[in-house]
Amino acid sequence: DVKVTQSSRYLVKRTGEKVFLECVQDMDHENMFWYRQDPGLGLRLIYFSYDVKMKEKGDIPEGYSVSREKKERFSLILESASTNQTSMYLCASSSVGPYSNQPQHFGDGTRLSIL
Amino acid sequence: AQSVTQPDIHITVSEGASLELRCNYSYGATPYLFWYVQSPGQGLQLLLKYFSGDTLVQGIKGFEAEFKRSQSSFNLRKPSVHWSDAAEYFCAVGVFANRDDKIIFGKGTRLHILP
Repeated sequence: DVKVTQSSRYLVKRTGEKVFLECVQDMDHENMFWYRQDPGLGLRLIYFSYDVKMKEKGDIPEGYSVSREKKERFSLILESASTNQTSMYLCASSSVGPYSNQPQHFGDGTRLSIL
Repeated sequence: AQSVTQPDIHITVSEGASLELRCNYSYGATPYLFWYVQSPGQGLQLLLKYFSGDTLVQGIKGFEAEFKRSQSSFNLRKPSVHWSDAAEYFCAVGVFANRDDKIIFGKGTRLHILP
């Protein structure tokens, strides 16, 4: 069965810290995504990547960066965490081709709290 | 601009009753259409998808959805809900035109089941 694994289910960090969220998929997928999910706002795309070392900004990239050094791993980085980045973060992957017609496979999420 | 609307934020039904969750989209062409479910504490799981052909599609867990082009809708249905269906449901639309290639998620409908 396909699997997207996020390294932490819950994470608590302090304002100003640099935070790393890790995501690994075992499906050999080319496309990977990072979303944040907030009540009433649904899923919002932060960054995505269609290949190793490639990245594209999503709808809300400010305050975030990403890294994709290997095909199976996509990291989200909060350069200097702020309280408004407290949220649920979801990683997803999909196979090669247009994003629009590929079902996405999601990890279980990381609930991040910034104090 | 493309958009996805799930008009109902919360829906409550009794166990054994039928269910219909609404989804409307705004897009100039026929999009790719998806329904995902998110159980508490988990990521999103694909229920079903529509790309073309028969407008009534069957999914997992006994769900089905019907694409109605004239109404720009893709409503999710289940004839008899089970307590385990309590979750949040997301409609998503894939758009691929004019260099746009993305999936847009609705804000979700939370389903509550009465015993």
